Amino acid sequence: DQQVKQNSPSLSVQEGRISILNCDYTNSMFDYFLWYKKYPAEGPTFLISISSIKDKNEDGRFTVFLNKSAKHLSLHIVPSQPGDSAVYFCAAAMDSNYQLIWGAGTKLIIKP
Amino acid sequence: DGGITQSPKYLFRKEGQNVTLSCEQNLNHDAMYWYRQDPGQGLRLIYYSQIVNDFQKGDIAEGYSVSREKKESFPLTVTSAQKNPTAFYLCASSVNTFSGANVLTFGAGSRLTVL
Repeated sequence: DQQVKQNSPSLSVQEGRISILNCDYTNSMFDYFLWYKKYPAEGPTFLISISSIKDKNEDGRFTVFLNKSAKHLSLHIVPSQPGDSAVYFCAAAMDSNYQLIWGAGTKLIIKP
Repeated sequence: DGGITQSPKYLFRKEGQNVTLSCEQNLNHDAMYWYRQDPGQGLRLIYYSQIVNDFQKGDIAEGYSVSREKKESFPLTVTSAQKNPTAFYLCASSVNTFSGANVLTFGAGSRLTVL
């Protein structure tokens, strides 16, 4: 049973445009949602997170939106840059059980 | 620079052999983790450790073993009992495990191929 789903295996976006990566979850008990970015042959690096008590968190070009009623979150990257080409993982956790549950990842390709 | 060092980066093993993957951190983090990544899947937790001399099984611990004799070190042994060991292995650490908001710091990974 996949509790965290990233339904798009890949996404291609023109440089300078907005990239929107989506993530759906099934467990309403999740307290935190995190996005990690991964380049080939490297470990993931933390990008941005959001608490379940918020509906938006912004950090520079990156904004995460949380829609609890739809059990959906999205990561917006504006403007998209070539260095943003990577695999993006969505992950969720509960405070009572810190273990992260990971989505399968979305490969973002930024076209020049 | 603080971080996590995994070695070796690439490893080939014959069937029936045990191999040990090294993970060292100098971040002074209490918690350490081992994940496995397979193509098209999210990261799956193998083992984690909250403090020295203590560790817990994750979702896919069968065929793996770990030790935590020092705070800085959390080696993973892939035993011959692991039926499908070819994968990318990631070690991570965090300040502690007390909050779901904990950010994990990852190493660069070790790719194990069984011949």
